[in-house]
Amino acid sequence: DADVTQTPRNRITKTGKRIMLECSQTKGHDRMYWYRQDPGLGLRLIYYSFDVKDINKGEISDGYSVSRQAQAKFSLSLESAIPNQTALYFCATSESGTSDTQYFGPGTRLTVL
Amino acid sequence: DQQVKQNSPSLSVQEGRISILNCDYTNSMFDYFLWYKKYPAEGPTFLISISSIKDKNEDGRFTVFLNKSAKHLSLHIVPSQPGDSAVYFCAASFQGAQKLVFGQGTRLTINP
Repeated sequence: DADVTQTPRNRITKTGKRIMLECSQTKGHDRMYWYRQDPGLGLRLIYYSFDVKDINKGEISDGYSVSRQAQAKFSLSLESAIPNQTALYFCATSESGTSDTQYFGPGTRLTVL
Repeated sequence: DQQVKQNSPSLSVQEGRISILNCDYTNSMFDYFLWYKKYPAEGPTFLISISSIKDKNEDGRFTVFLNKSAKHLSLHIVPSQPGDSAVYFCAASFQGAQKLVFGQGTRLTINP
């Protein structure tokens, strides 16, 4: 069974709709991250959370919000989706006090029409 | 401001030969470097890492070299196998940040 799961795996939506992407992990890690991947741009950090009460903006947080419902769950919301938010979205986890190695979920492919 | 750069979008190598993927960085504060491998429809998978106190780390067919003075790291795969065909990302962080900065990725294709 996968340690980091993401739902949905694929989503097509329309401009202006609110979308939530969910991430769950069974690794017991306290740190969680949301990234987006665009062709030619690699992975860019949207938001990250070092524990349930800690939320931090990444380099591209505009147009997104997050919620850390529990240590194991971290959700990403697009309040009003726009076409340039079409991308692959990845959730990742890491463990504090160790190396910075992060472990990724399988990704969500989001298309905004 | 791209702090971690992979200047080759793609690389094609013959099966059995050596694959060399390159990565440059600009921030001298970075002290931990990682390589991730990504297959289509999957998330990135951790491959190998190196701390700035070392200049080489080896794990089976994979070796990462770090040249701090040149702010350059490379991943060597020997011998290359068809299953190595994937996109490879390098990433960097500095102590305490617990955040990774990724390069753009290099698509490696191993030809039979």
